[in-house]
Amino acid sequence: AQSVTQLDSQVPVFEEAPVELRCNYSSSVSVYLFWYVQYPNQGLQLLLKYLSGSTLVKGINGFEAEFNKSQTSFHLRKPSVHISDTAEYFCAVSKSTGGGNKLTFGTGTQLKVEL
Amino acid sequence: EPEVTQTPSHQVTQMGQEVILRCVPISNHLYFYWYRQILGQKVEFLVSFYNNEISEKSEIFDDQFSVERPDGSNFTLKIRSTKLEDSAMYFCASTGDSNYGYTFGSGTRLTVV
Repeated sequence: AQSVTQLDSQVPVFEEAPVELRCNYSSSVSVYLFWYVQYPNQGLQLLLKYLSGSTLVKGINGFEAEFNKSQTSFHLRKPSVHISDTAEYFCAVSKSTGGGNKLTFGTGTQLKVEL
Repeated sequence: EPEVTQTPSHQVTQMGQEVILRCVPISNHLYFYWYRQILGQKVEFLVSFYNNEISEKSEIFDDQFSVERPDGSNFTLKIRSTKLEDSAMYFCASTGDSNYGYTFGSGTRLTVV
């Protein structure tokens, strides 16, 4: 089974400052990794995903994440945040082999961007 | 861009009543899923469906829940006798033959009173 840990439940940050949201995963098999964003009262939007290849993955809205296999981490970063980035961010994992594998989500990190 | 459509967006029901949540997955997708998010909590897997049968289900998905693909386009989640703790946002998702092309619907907020 896979599991995801997001240690930070809330991250406050000032506008234009950099931010890192942490994600660690556990799995005995190879996985794909994802970050989703959820704005208030909305659905889940895919920010980026790691499938294979380069460990640095770039996504939408200026976000990027780095896959670190030895540390089983997939931290999300943005060099300069905007007020509009205020949202809940979920890290998720799925098995990479077979078909139709479920996503397992972390508990989420609330990013609050302040002026 | 193709979308997963969920209806209704919000449903209020009395405890003990049956509800059916509806989803129209992307037409050429093969795998269909339901997830649940209780307010303020993480998104939890309920069930996956492939080739007209359940391929995996979580411990949450007990006998009160069922899924169906009654025709070639709709995918439904039925809760037979709702409880207060079933109040949550329910997300439908679908994928093609890969494990990474998930598309989520915008969700149905179910409120049990």
